[in-house]
Amino acid sequence: DTGVSQDPRHKITKRGQNVTFRCDPISEHNRLYWYRQTLGQGPEFLTYFQNEAQLEKSRLLSDRFSAERPKGSFSTLEIQRTEQGDSAMYLCASSLGGGENTIYFGEGSWLTVV
Amino acid sequence: KNEVEQSPQNLTAQEGEFITINCSYSVGISALHWLQQHPGGGIVSLFMLSSGKKKHGRLIATINIQEKHSSLHITASHPRDSAVYICAVRYGNEKLTFGTGTRLTIIP
Repeated sequence: DTGVSQDPRHKITKRGQNVTFRCDPISEHNRLYWYRQTLGQGPEFLTYFQNEAQLEKSRLLSDRFSAERPKGSFSTLEIQRTEQGDSAMYLCASSLGGGENTIYFGEGSWLTVV
Repeated sequence: KNEVEQSPQNLTAQEGEFITINCSYSVGISALHWLQQHPGGGIVSLFMLSSGKKKHGRLIATINIQEKHSSLHITASHPRDSAVYICAVRYGNEKLTFGTGTRLTIIP
């Protein structure tokens, strides 16, 4: 399967711990997006990359959150000092360019902070 | 306030019924996406529209740019169509703004 893959699919962590999620986009897709979705809500934009450059960050992305895409391929999203409010599904998506190109989503990484 | 409004929030119908889900947005957009999300999280892109109408199998999506409104129709609905349908718009920059979704349940 050559779709967008995310790892881990589920993560339970204690408050205050750091967690890292990985996203492998579809090969050759230069755009990579991170979204967050809480129960009953639509996804919310966090950040996006074009190749290795992080072009936009949402105000939702506090200084505890950092995202990287060091070689323009896979990306990581790290959350430091997790809080219960960080519990959500973190979705990764990729596309070949922006505009009217189709966006492909991963299965998401569920985070539960206890 | 969410800039993308969907209606209804929940919809239950009998198998075979014609389904319509609506999406309204507040300002001009460059593209509108209809997405399908099944339990467990995975999101599938159904359509991307910038004007007019698109059809794929039993699914039809329309958009009226002047009225800032889009509809997703499902003909001959089936229980496997049960999912959350999400409208998402792109306002010219790269990020998508999502509606809260419509939870569709088709009863056999």
